[in-house]
Amino acid sequence: AQSVSQHNHHVILSEAASLELGCNYSYGGTVNLFWYVQYPGQHLQLLLKYFSGDPLVKGIKGFEAEFIKSKFSFNLRKPSVQWSDTAEYFCASFLGTDKLIFGTGTRLQVFP
Amino acid sequence: NAGVTQTPKFQVLKTGQSMTLQCAQDMNHNSMYWYRQDPGMGLRLIYYSASEGTTDKGEVPNGYNVSRLNKREFSLRLESAAPSQTSVYFCASYGDTQYFGPGTRLTVL
Repeated sequence: AQSVSQHNHHVILSEAASLELGCNYSYGGTVNLFWYVQYPGQHLQLLLKYFSGDPLVKGIKGFEAEFIKSKFSFNLRKPSVQWSDTAEYFCASFLGTDKLIFGTGTRLQVFP
Repeated sequence: NAGVTQTPKFQVLKTGQSMTLQCAQDMNHNSMYWYRQDPGMGLRLIYYSASEGTTDKGEVPNGYNVSRLNKREFSLRLESAAPSQTSVYFCASYGDTQYFGPGTRLTVL
């Protein structure tokens, strides 16, 4: 079945550490991929998206993601996290349908 | 330009009561969605509407009904609320990307 997987459920980092959150999808066709962030008590906000072209996508707040088609992956990265990055992060894709399917999310805690 | 709006923000129901969650968008988007968010389970799609006049089931449609009233509005109805429907509900619309409403926190006692 088509799905989006996030294997890191809970990540704890110190400020200035580097971040990489995994996202994999199962679908053999063309995909649109998204990363969303949800700060405590708020709704989801778009961090970045990939539709086509350069597989290295830069988003807001210093985040970037790399689409690797051969690995069916779209991992999110940030070179140096801040306490304000504490949030939940969701990967999502349409997987060839008109339904946006979300991963189960990764909770990131950043300690000063 | 308010984006996606939802009402109410909070609601407490007793088991068996009914209610309708309202959602509206002012971005002229064709597609609209209802999700529920539960701890550890991410966002699960309840129903969606690819265009005015059409609705389709998502991953977890049981216990819910929807109405795409017009292009702007997409409502979610719980006919007989159950404690398992305690959740945070998000409405969303899709244009070049998906925009989310602020959410409705529903508790069913």
